[in-house]
Amino acid sequence: EAGVAQSPRYKIIEKRQSVAFWCNPISGHATLYWYQQILGQGPKLLIQFQNNGVVDDSQLPKDRFSAERLKGVDSTLKIQPAKLEDSAVYLCASSEQGASNQPQHFGDGTRLSIL
Amino acid sequence: DQQVKQNSPSLSVQEGRISILNCDYTNSMFDYFLWYKKYPAEGPTFLISISSIKDKNEDGRFTVFLNKSAKHLSLHIVPSQPGDSAVYFCAASRTPGNQFYFGTGTSLTVIP
Repeated sequence: EAGVAQSPRYKIIEKRQSVAFWCNPISGHATLYWYQQILGQGPKLLIQFQNNGVVDDSQLPKDRFSAERLKGVDSTLKIQPAKLEDSAVYLCASSEQGASNQPQHFGDGTRLSIL
Repeated sequence: DQQVKQNSPSLSVQEGRISILNCDYTNSMFDYFLWYKKYPAEGPTFLISISSIKDKNEDGRFTVFLNKSAKHLSLHIVPSQPGDSAVYFCAASRTPGNQFYFGTGTSLTVIP
């Protein structure tokens, strides 16, 4: 079974530029999550999708961050404009359809550095 | 507001001995707990979980203990192996939904 795929693995941009990350979840997993992990901290949920609908985006800084999952499979996360404090690893995870008490499976993440 | 806490940033253990990693939580509504293992430059990998209806779950060398009254869980690795060296995150969620709250991680080093 193929795991969660993310790209790019690394990205370096200057502050105020824009950036986008892509995620392809495990086949058949209807729930998709984007996390932000700042160095020395645990992953923090940014947004959760169930199919192509948003379940929870309460911690997404909506003035600069946006995410979509138009066809209920792949997802993109965008930051525009980027700030220095956005330097972090962005992790995508997926889990089975509408399931509580199910482990989430993570991709390897995108490491974003803001100069 | 950190709802899940791992107060030990690092732990070193001799190969063959027991590793005990601890985690505390503040939200009594959490009913599902997990441990993830993370190697550098990789995403977290699911290790073991426990539901709040249990107080112990075992999977090979890994055992998770849950003490609901103390809002505390621990991961025991016996015997510890050098390949276990990684950062371990505990996470918690509550039904319904599957939103996880993560601790800050404990870096385990198993010395050969």
